Amino acid sequence: QVQLLESGGGLVKPGGSLRLSCVASGFTFSDYHMSWIRQAPGKGLEWVSFVSDDNTYTKYADNVKGRFTISRDDAKKSVHLQMNSLRGDDTAVYYCARTLGLWADYWGPGILVTVSS
Amino acid sequence: EIEMTQSPATLSVSPGERATLSCWASQSVSTNLAWYQQKPGQAPRLLIHGASTRATGVPARFRGSGSGTDFTLTISSLQSEDFAIYYCQQYSHWLTFGGGTKVEIK
Repeated sequence: QVQLLESGGGLVKPGGSLRLSCVASGFTFSDYHMSWIRQAPGKGLEWVSFVSDDNTYTKYADNVKGRFTISRDDAKKSVHLQMNSLRGDDTAVYYCARTLGLWADYWGPGILVTVSS
Repeated sequence: EIEMTQSPATLSVSPGERATLSCWASQSVSTNLAWYQQKPGQAPRLLIHGASTRATGVPARFRGSGSGTDFTLTISSLQSEDFAIYYCQQYSHWLTFGGGTKVEIK
């Protein structure tokens, strides 16, 4: 069965960096786009970043562009989100999601990132 | 950026009754629309894509309809496990979510 598991979250100070990872299993990883989607505490969902199945196309939400970088490693069936210059409004649960077409058909359980001094 | 608006913010429904959730797009997204269900403490789950195609394993009581700017998710007979927050998401121009509709027990 499809499984996604995020790691790398935690508490970081404003201006700091964090690298999230997501390991996939149960499907042919290289056949799928992947995304990161976040949810601030008590708030709705926000699509953060997307990487295409062939790793030729990436896209970012405007409020993270230039600060976050998405990458994938098909050999290790993993996708990463490097987050730099973190701000308080980046505090959220970050979900890794398999992306079919342009909708998220499977989600990981999520990982909490807290940006606070 | 296309804005997605969901209504109502909260819907109170008795078990066994029908629930009708609305989602509007600020411009046409054709049928490039998905619906997700999220229960407390859990990740969202895909229900519908292409405005009306149920995802694998989604019960037939969930029905999506609409095109262009107006969309509806209908749950024909609410079961206890259906009380949750529902989000719509357009994927016509980048990817944006609506603010959600919470379906609660009346």
